[in-house]
Amino acid sequence: DTGVSQDPRHKITKRGQNVTFRCDPISEHNRLYWYRQTLGQGPEFLTYFQNEAQLEKSRLLSDRFSAERPKGSFSTLEIQRTEQGDSAMYLCASSDKGGAPSDTQYFGPGTRLTVL
Amino acid sequence: DAKTTQPPSMDCAEGRAANLPCNHSTISGNEYVYWYRQIHSQGPQYIIHGLKNNETNEMASLIITEDRKSSTLILPHATLRDTAVYYCIVRPYGAGSYQLTFGKGTKLSVIP
Repeated sequence: DTGVSQDPRHKITKRGQNVTFRCDPISEHNRLYWYRQTLGQGPEFLTYFQNEAQLEKSRLLSDRFSAERPKGSFSTLEIQRTEQGDSAMYLCASSDKGGAPSDTQYFGPGTRLTVL
Repeated sequence: DAKTTQPPSMDCAEGRAANLPCNHSTISGNEYVYWYRQIHSQGPQYIIHGLKNNETNEMASLIITEDRKSSTLILPHATLRDTAVYYCIVRPYGAGSYQLTFGKGTKLSVIP
């Protein structure tokens, strides 16, 4: 399978715990995006990487959130001191044509986080 | 603030064409119209995009009005597997314009 993969698919944690999600983009895609989706809403942009550089962050990305893409391949999204409001689907997408009109973001299956 | 307006839900009979409308009256000259869909519990799936000409691919057709203020996504022969939430997104191209801004979309139900 050459699509975007995410791990884990589901995560249940207790409030105050730290969690980390992983995203493996499509091979050779240099751009990687994280989105968050709450129930009944469309996905919301969190952050974007070009290779290993984090170039854009949404105001939704509070200080408790950190994302990395150390070697320009896979990425991790960590949430520290989780809160019940962090419960959501976390989606990763990748693309290889930047802002070009033909740029298409391909999404992974998502990681569903439940904070108890 | 939303850049697109879509009906919250639509029904379509299996085998018939599904026509999903989208209003984007404030669209700018450098903004494209993109359509994605999201089947329950999956990640969004790219369908098609266009600037001002009508576009067709193996999944769907995109019809954009001459003034570009609205568009219609057409699924020519809807199947039960097309039941999903469909998102219409306007997105500029160029430096620094990478994120997709999703609304609530249209929930399409294909009925046997």
